[in-house]
Amino acid sequence: GAGVSQTPSNKVTEKGKYVELRCDPISGHTALYWYRQSLGQGPEFLIYFQGTGAADDSGLPNDRFFAVRPEGSVSTLKIQRTERGDSAVYLCASSPLLAGDSYNEQFFGPGTRLTVL
Amino acid sequence: GEDVEQSLFLSVREGDSSVINCTYTDSSSTYLYWYKQEPGAGLQLLTYIFSNMDMKQDQRLTVLLNKKDKHLSLRIADTQTGDSAIYFCAESAWANSNSGYALNFGKGTSLLVTP
Repeated sequence: GAGVSQTPSNKVTEKGKYVELRCDPISGHTALYWYRQSLGQGPEFLIYFQGTGAADDSGLPNDRFFAVRPEGSVSTLKIQRTERGDSAVYLCASSPLLAGDSYNEQFFGPGTRLTVL
Repeated sequence: GEDVEQSLFLSVREGDSSVINCTYTDSSSTYLYWYKQEPGAGLQLLTYIFSNMDMKQDQRLTVLLNKKDKHLSLRIADTQTGDSAIYFCAESAWANSNSGYALNFGKGTSLLVTP
């Protein structure tokens, strides 16, 4: 079946602009995660959704970052007033994680490479 | 979050074994994972081990876990040029339960396999 997809694959924007990054998780996966991977680093957790609600947004770096998942499937990561330091690959992952289950195989999308000029 | 440390680079010859090492600090880690990342591709789960296990073997892959020393290793037997990629060690821990057991990754080890 289809894996996790992310659009766009590349996004170039100017400092101060607003961007939206989209994630289509695997059908039926209740858990959805956003991570950010800077050059030479491992992915860093941003936000976790269980269903429609953001269960944990403690990884969002500041209030310019926001994410939604209104129908419990597709998610959009929104970045306002982009800064050059926001340049990174933004990864989305989904998981069939059930509450209380600590084994968590996450399926990652190919990422969106964001470049802020 | 807690630290996950990996050596950054490893070069081996085709046919040799590769051993990639990882240390972690979170004593509440429940599962430890190895992911592979190839250029332009998403992260691919290679294997995982539960924290109460010492070893897991899966075809060419062997995972060793020393829970006392918080040390994890991935051995790839008969390494091929197609194994060249970045390998990430990651953990999920009880401390991360509120974040849906979000993964805490190391910086990755870049494996280069030469003919």
